[in-house]
Amino acid sequence: SALTQPASVSGSPGQSITISCTGTSDDIGGYNYVSWYQQHPGKAPRLMIYDVSNRPTGSSNRFSASKSGNTATLTISGLQPEDDADYYCASYTSSSSPLYVFGSGTKVTVL
Amino acid sequence: QVQLVQSGADEVKEPGASVKVSCKASGYIFTDYGISWLRQAPGQGPEWVGWISAFNGDTHSAQTFQGKVTLTTDTSTTTAYMELRSLTVDDTATYFCARDPYYGSGTYYKPHYFDYWGQGTLVTVSS
Repeated sequence: SALTQPASVSGSPGQSITISCTGTSDDIGGYNYVSWYQQHPGKAPRLMIYDVSNRPTGSSNRFSASKSGNTATLTISGLQPEDDADYYCASYTSSSSPLYVFGSGTKVTVL
Repeated sequence: QVQLVQSGADEVKEPGASVKVSCKASGYIFTDYGISWLRQAPGQGPEWVGWISAFNGDTHSAQTFQGKVTLTTDTSTTTAYMELRSLTVDDTATYFCARDPYYGSGTYYKPHYFDYWGQGTLVTVSS
């Protein structure tokens, strides 16, 4: 089943926001295989964080992430207009097929 | 630079038909990675379909798609393919290929993340 995220989060430019992602011990809690993706309308998802807290080359250092128990958290610092997008968490899961599950998605609005 | 370019045209298919989507990779050693396929229905989050190793051809697909999807690669052209059969209206979605860092045995496959994505191919199933 999908990981649970808040439907929407908003903030003003320059502020920091956090997005939570709650799973179970079969996915987030059991493995360090949490990733975060940003998606603008009509575009492909873009990897922002992998393996809980690692940033791929080219991903802004304003994006950081962590995990505690069955909940992962993405933090966007110094919010900018281009951060206005959908964000999805994802994780490997050992519970059943599929092996990889996504969150329900969070719409970030930059006010 | 790493690029994944999918077959350009969107597809419209009738229920029961098949569709084959291609994904041309460039900018990296094709056989050092796998390719995962994902789909995203309108207004929904992404859904993982399956994975293929470009190194040894091993595959692993989500149970929902077993018997319905065939994943292949052509290392001579660094192209991956996804064929989806017996289409239903529920298969209407944008299909993405994505580079997967794992290319080993399918027995040990545990998807971590997908670092580069194709632009997507819209497949519409309608009578």
